[in-house]
Amino acid sequence: DQQVKQNSPSLSVQEGRISILNCDYTNSMFDYFLWYKKYPAEGPTFLISISSIKDKNEDGRFTVFLNKSAKHLSLHIVPSQPGDSAVYFCAGAETSGSRLTFGEGTQLTVNP
Amino acid sequence: DTGVSQDPRHKITKRGQNVTFRCDPISEHNRLYWYRQTLGQGPEFLTYFQNEAQLEKSRLLSDRFSAERPKGSFSTLEIQRTEQGDSAMYLCASSPQYEQYFGPGTRLTVT
Repeated sequence: DQQVKQNSPSLSVQEGRISILNCDYTNSMFDYFLWYKKYPAEGPTFLISISSIKDKNEDGRFTVFLNKSAKHLSLHIVPSQPGDSAVYFCAGAETSGSRLTFGEGTQLTVNP
Repeated sequence: DTGVSQDPRHKITKRGQNVTFRCDPISEHNRLYWYRQTLGQGPEFLTYFQNEAQLEKSRLLSDRFSAERPKGSFSTLEIQRTEQGDSAMYLCASSPQYEQYFGPGTRLTVT
C-alpha cells in the first residue's frame, strides 16, 4: 500500500529555471506534509513543510503547494541552482510526532 | 554542531552475527525514530520513542530487531542473527513536533 507516490524518478532542469517536483498521496488522515533533500551517503535534510489547513508555504527559493481535493502536493524551487541537485522526498504525517510516510524520491539534476 | 549523530557510519558483518547501532538525538528533542532505507526507496518507519517509552513498532520490525532508549537519551537498535535482506541504511531522527531531523545513517552490509 503505497500511501505516498512520487511518479517521476528523475527531473533535469537548467540553472536559473524553475524545478517542480510532484507528490500524490492516498491517506486522508495525513495532517502535515514535509519535503526532504538527500545527498548521497548523508541522511535526509528537512527543507519545508505545510499543514493540511494551508494551501501554500514559502521559504526563500522553496514553495510548497497543497491541493487537498486532488491529494497532491508540489515543491517549486526557483531559481534552481546546481547545488540543489539531490534526491527529494515528500512525506506525510497523521499527527504531530507520528511516523513519517515517505515517497520513493525524485532525483533532481540542475545543469549549469 | 549539535545535530543527530549515529555510530558506526558503516558496518560489514557476516550473516548470522548480531549488530548494534547507536543514535544520539538532538538534546532537547524528546521524540526519537528509527527508519530503514534501501536503494531506490524512501525511508521506511521502524519504531518510535517518546522519552524512554517505545510507542510504536512497524510490522517491518521482526523479532530479530530490538530497540531501546534508556533514560530517554540515546537509543540503540540491535539486529540479531543478521540476514542478507537486512542490508540497508539505518536512519535515526529526532523531533520536537512534526519536523524530524535525521542523522547521517549507518550503512549495514551483510555478507
